[in-house]
Amino acid sequence: DAKTTQPNSMESNEEEPVHLPCNHSTISGTDYIHWYRQLPSQGPEYVIHGLTSNVNNRMASLAIAEDRKSSTLILHRATLRDAAVYYCILRQRVDSGYALNFGKGTSLLVTP
Amino acid sequence: EAGVVQSPRYKIIEKKQPVAFWCNPISGHNTLYWYRQNLGQGPELLIRYENEEAVDDSQLPKDRFSAERLKGVDSTLKIQPAELGDSAVYLCASSFMGLGQETQYFGPGTRLLVL
Repeated sequence: DAKTTQPNSMESNEEEPVHLPCNHSTISGTDYIHWYRQLPSQGPEYVIHGLTSNVNNRMASLAIAEDRKSSTLILHRATLRDAAVYYCILRQRVDSGYALNFGKGTSLLVTP
Repeated sequence: EAGVVQSPRYKIIEKKQPVAFWCNPISGHNTLYWYRQNLGQGPELLIRYENEEAVDDSQLPKDRFSAERLKGVDSTLKIQPAELGDSAVYLCASSFMGLGQETQYFGPGTRLLVL
């Protein structure tokens, strides 16, 4: 399976934008990029996913590099509730049922 | 809509004792996963069900772990006997296939401490 590399931790001020990077230099042409996050004492929750084009939803935006070897999750205005571990995960297909390979993720600290 | 329900939320047992975790997935979700999450790590798959069939149990330590999903709805994960290294959070997730994408929905997990 293709691997992802994320910083162990990042810090942001409340109400400022946050850019969470993810490197995936061995990504294949059929791999989708998924992001999940895990709030303290909760199970992970889906954030966003994409293949080639940038994606936006109510939670975040996903910017994918043209060569697809890296991507960035963008939280436009961080709140204290966004403090969580963010996981960047590659999946071969969005409609296939198999396990998510989480890795260690990036722990985001949001300060008032 | 109710999310994935897990019980108990916390469990403390002594080593060599048995323990069981229960999961009720979101209604209509065909696929059910059990993950284990060690402290400071991301979740790792233990077993995946498609309806009542275990289609991926390659990471399940079968000497002490067992799981079942009767009638393709609720699922139970059991450890017998528990070891100190089994202390972790056990997460259940479910997903629905056939809408063109699969999103996994996780329960809050069961925190197990083995003494």
